Amino acid sequence: DAEITQSPRHKITETGRQVTLACHQTWNHNNMFWYRQDLGHGLRLIHYSYGVQDTNKGEVSDGYSVSRSNTEDLPLTLESAASSQTSVYFCASSPGPVVDTQYFGPGTRLTVL
Amino acid sequence: KQEVTQIPAALSVPEGENLVLNCSFTDSAIYNLQWFRQDPGKGLTSLLLIQSSQREQTSGRLNASLDKSSGRSTLYIAASQPGDSATYLCAVNDMRFGAGTRLTVKP
Repeated sequence: DAEITQSPRHKITETGRQVTLACHQTWNHNNMFWYRQDLGHGLRLIHYSYGVQDTNKGEVSDGYSVSRSNTEDLPLTLESAASSQTSVYFCASSPGPVVDTQYFGPGTRLTVL
Repeated sequence: KQEVTQIPAALSVPEGENLVLNCSFTDSAIYNLQWFRQDPGKGLTSLLLIQSSQREQTSGRLNASLDKSSGRSTLYIAASQPGDSATYLCAVNDMRFGAGTRLTVKP
């Protein structure tokens, strides 16, 4: 069955370290998204992509980067992890081009000490 | 900037009750609105997607309506069950989410 996976599911790191969270989908969806979820803030968009080589900043993109070299993957990199980036991170995908259902991964819980 | 609000933040009802969850947005120029369900420690599952040209969508005991002119959407759950207990989130244009309403249905 087609699916969207995230790895690792849990990660503990130290401030200042570079961290990469993986997102992989097997639906061949054009659109992919990264969100963070924090208590009191709901889900906030970090970055999104509408296709290979396309990336766009979301509402809370500072300190994060993404690259889209193929359809299946959109890794999220924290260049220099900060305690404020402790959160649960969700990846999602949708077929596109615009109006479509999003499918979410199970999430990655990141703790920055 | 689009703002999405969900009130109340939490709701507790007895089993069997019909209920309505609310979602408000500030910019009526939307192309879709989705309702999601999130169980504790899990990802989000899409329940209903309403395109801007539609007024409502139905799936089983769920009915979602959209009124762009007033900036509101409602999710109606009929004959609630304990298994409906979860957090329900709405999202505008795929990317702007409300904080969610945590629903508890008591047996």
